[in-house]
Amino acid sequence: DTGVSQDPRHKITKRGQNVTFRCDPISEHNRLYWYRQTLGQGPEFLTYFQNEAQLEKSRLLSDRFSAERPKGSFSTLEIQRTEQGDSAMYLCASSLALAGEQFFGPGTRLTVL
Amino acid sequence: GNSVTQMEGPVTLSEEAFLTINCTYTATGYPSLFWYVQYPGEGLQLLLKATKADDKGSNKGFEATYRKETTSFHLEKGSVQVSDSAVYFCALSDSGGGADGLTFGKGTHLIIQP
Repeated sequence: DTGVSQDPRHKITKRGQNVTFRCDPISEHNRLYWYRQTLGQGPEFLTYFQNEAQLEKSRLLSDRFSAERPKGSFSTLEIQRTEQGDSAMYLCASSLALAGEQFFGPGTRLTVL
Repeated sequence: GNSVTQMEGPVTLSEEAFLTINCTYTATGYPSLFWYVQYPGEGLQLLLKATKADDKGSNKGFEATYRKETTSFHLEKGSVQVSDSAVYFCALSDSGGGADGLTFGKGTHLIIQP
């Protein structure tokens, strides 16, 4: 399967714990995006990378959220000191710069107890 | 800021009925417009797109026309099938082609009954 993959698919954690999610984009794609989707809502854009450079991070929800893409391939999204309001589906997408179409992964569902 | 408004669901239709899902947007400049679809148990997939005014995007029998004068991008299909049951999201991007972050509507759940 050469699509976007995300790991884990489900994560249950207790409030106050840190969590990290991984995204592996389609191999030739140089742009990688993170979104959050809560129940009954559309995806909400968080941040994106072109290669290893994070081009937009002002939309990250708070300073508890951070993302990295150290070698321009896979990316990680970390949430520190999780809160119940962080419970959501976290989606990753990738694309070729300027080509536009974003290909989405299956998402990681986070539940904070 | 940018926003997308689409009709509330669920929308329930019989097979072979005509479908319209309304989508209107607010954006600065000249956005690109998209419809994404999420089938049960699957990830989001691009259904169709239009990058400038009066463009018509089409795919799998679905069509949508970029109407700048009414800031709309309504999704239509002449004859729906049970397999079209899914959640449909309208989205926009400020950049040409959607290379930057997308702004999504809330989604419309479509249910097609045999």
